[in-house]
Amino acid sequence: GENVEQHPSTLSVQEGDSAVIKCTYSDSASNYFPWYKQELGKRPQLIIDIRSNVGEKKDQRIAVTLNKTAKHFSLHITETQPEDSAVYFCAASGESGYSTLTFGKGTMLLVSP
Amino acid sequence: SQTIHQWPATLVQPVGSPLSLECTVEGTSNPNLYWYRQAAGRGLQLLFYSIGIGQISSEVPQNLSASRPQDRQFILSSKKLLLSDSGFYLCAWNWRGEGYGYTFGSGTRLTVV
Repeated sequence: GENVEQHPSTLSVQEGDSAVIKCTYSDSASNYFPWYKQELGKRPQLIIDIRSNVGEKKDQRIAVTLNKTAKHFSLHITETQPEDSAVYFCAASGESGYSTLTFGKGTMLLVSP
Repeated sequence: SQTIHQWPATLVQPVGSPLSLECTVEGTSNPNLYWYRQAAGRGLQLLFYSIGIGQISSEVPQNLSASRPQDRQFILSSKKLLLSDSGFYLCAWNWRGEGYGYTFGSGTRLTVV
């Protein structure tokens, strides 16, 4: 089955810096890659996603890049703010035809004022 | 628009007691439904998923079970809780097919004492 590795497990940055979280996946048939943000004690929420026919997608301060050849994708957050502090999860779709997502283990992002 | 309801929000149960968590989705039909568990400070573990009434796939063979008695209702149960069942339980849904992110319920924080 699909396996998703996520790094780093924790990331501390100063407010205004950029943050990058990287994920690799194992199933070359995966074609959908969402990112979720989970604040303490709350549910994970979808913040951005990318499909395999696109190499990059941006939404204001966040962007995701995908390299299908290398089977890795990354989340980029620019001009970080304290409210960006949360746990971020990457995920990949499973085998073709299924909707189940496989999640990475998460990255705790801490943005210091 | 679609909404997902999950209850209760918190639950404290003694070891050996039964469990029933309920999740319902409104505003859509034939959703895929999922149960995840998240231990403190850890990642998202898929427990069960369902693509239709009475169709349940188990990812983790433990003392938990799931049922889908109606199209938009998903129930997580246990006959006898263990201490290791403590965690944050999340219900989620998405549309059928490839490439759709999950929408998570607000979660149930279960503490087994």
